[in-house]
Amino acid sequence: QKEVEQNSGPLSVPEGAIASLNCTYSDRGSQSFFWYRQYSGKSPELIMFIYSNGDKEDGRFTAQLNKASQYVSLLIRDSQPSDSATYLCAVNIGGNTPLVFGKGTRLSVIA
Amino acid sequence: EPEVTQTPSHQVTQMGQEVILRCVPISNHLYFYWYRQILGQKVEFLVSFYNNEISEKSEIFDDQFSVERPDGSNFTLKIRSTKLEDSAMYFCASSPPGENTEAFFGQGTRLTVV
Repeated sequence: QKEVEQNSGPLSVPEGAIASLNCTYSDRGSQSFFWYRQYSGKSPELIMFIYSNGDKEDGRFTAQLNKASQYVSLLIRDSQPSDSATYLCAVNIGGNTPLVFGKGTRLSVIA
Repeated sequence: EPEVTQTPSHQVTQMGQEVILRCVPISNHLYFYWYRQILGQKVEFLVSFYNNEISEKSEIFDDQFSVERPDGSNFTLKIRSTKLEDSAMYFCASSPPGENTEAFFGQGTRLTVV
C-alpha cells in the first residue's frame, strides 16, 4: 500500500516567518513529488514539483527532496496570511502515473 | 491561461440515481484523470485515461463507475446507482505527455447524494 504521510496541523506561523511543511512517502519507486495548495472547498492548485534530490526554489517557495530518507518538504519564506491553506504532498512513480496524496497540512499564517 | 473546466459545480441527486460529471481537459493534454475527495479526507485517485482507454484504475473504481470521452473535448465520469457514501468532491485533472509532468486540476464538482 502506497502511503504519503503529512502532519495534519494546524501549523501556525506569524506573518513574515518561514513555514516548513514535511512529507514522507512509503514507495521507494516514487520518482516525482508535488506540492499542491488547497483552499477550503476548492481544488488542488500546483505550487511546485521536484524530481531530483536537493533543493528547488521558485520565488518564496523551496522544495527539498531526500530520496534516501523518503522525505520531501516545502519551505515558504516571508509567509503571508494569503498562504493560509491546506498543503497537499503528492507523489507518483513518474511519467503520467496517478498521484498518491497525503491528507495535507493545514497552515495558518497569523497577521 | 488554459484550464480544466468541470460541470456542474454542484450536483444533488437522490440515492439510486445515475449522475454524469463532465470535464473539459486542457486542449493539448493527453492524459486525463478523475479523483475524489470525501469531506475532510484526502484526495483519492479513481481512474486514468489515455488514448481512448482506461490506463489505470483504483479499487474504488468498480462497476458502479465508468468513464468516456464522447468527443474530442469532453471527458465524463458516470456514477450509476449512487449511494450516500458517493457524496464527495470529484476532481478532473489532465496532464501533457512527458517523462515527468504535472497534473492540473479542474475546480471540482461537489456531488451530494440524498
